[in-house]
Amino acid sequence: GAVVSQHPSRVICKSGTSVKIECRSLDFQATTMFWYRQFPKQSLMLMATSNEGSKATYEQGVEKDKFLINHASLTLSTLTVTSAHPEDSSFYICSAAPGTDVYGYTFGSGTRLTVV
Amino acid sequence: QKEVEQNSGPLSVPEGAIASLNCTYSDRGSQSFFWYRQYSGKSPELIMFIYSNGDKEDGRFTAQLNKASQYVSLLIRDSQPSDSATYLCAPLNTGFQKLVFGTGTRLLVSP
Repeated sequence: GAVVSQHPSRVICKSGTSVKIECRSLDFQATTMFWYRQFPKQSLMLMATSNEGSKATYEQGVEKDKFLINHASLTLSTLTVTSAHPEDSSFYICSAAPGTDVYGYTFGSGTRLTVV
Repeated sequence: QKEVEQNSGPLSVPEGAIASLNCTYSDRGSQSFFWYRQYSGKSPELIMFIYSNGDKEDGRFTAQLNKASQYVSLLIRDSQPSDSATYLCAPLNTGFQKLVFGTGTRLLVSP
């Protein structure tokens, strides 16, 4: 089946620094990847849709200059949290599907970000 | 009105019982509906999806869809303690191809 790898699984960073999270599709090509954020005891909130070779589409209320998304290849999308603050501490999860297969959304294992 | 509504629970059932999880959605453009299971601290894993009205069975799981009522449900037969998790309902709007998640229902299966 489709496998999505996400790294790192946990990261602790100091306030004001930037953190990069990688999402890779291991056995398929993904023209589209999705980035979600989940706060404790809350549901997944879609942050942005990452499109290979073009700009990401951000959901309303998500700061595109703070959450930089790069989808430079068909197997890799990155999310960079810039100038992180404690309120950015959350569980970040990516997902992808092979091509236009809308039935195969697979999630990465998630990244627990703690900003101190 | 929220796009996707689920009772947050917890829904408590004894081992071996049937657990019934419900979900309503507001977007009539939704064509497919996914059920994910999420254990605490982990990412969601797909249980099953349904896109036609009626029932769809997969092992101990049955998804039910009624597009006219904008309602989708998941039944878990012979519930096991290992089924204790949060179950997320996610309609897919085919035009936008993005999943919008409900708040999830926390299921507790007691031995």
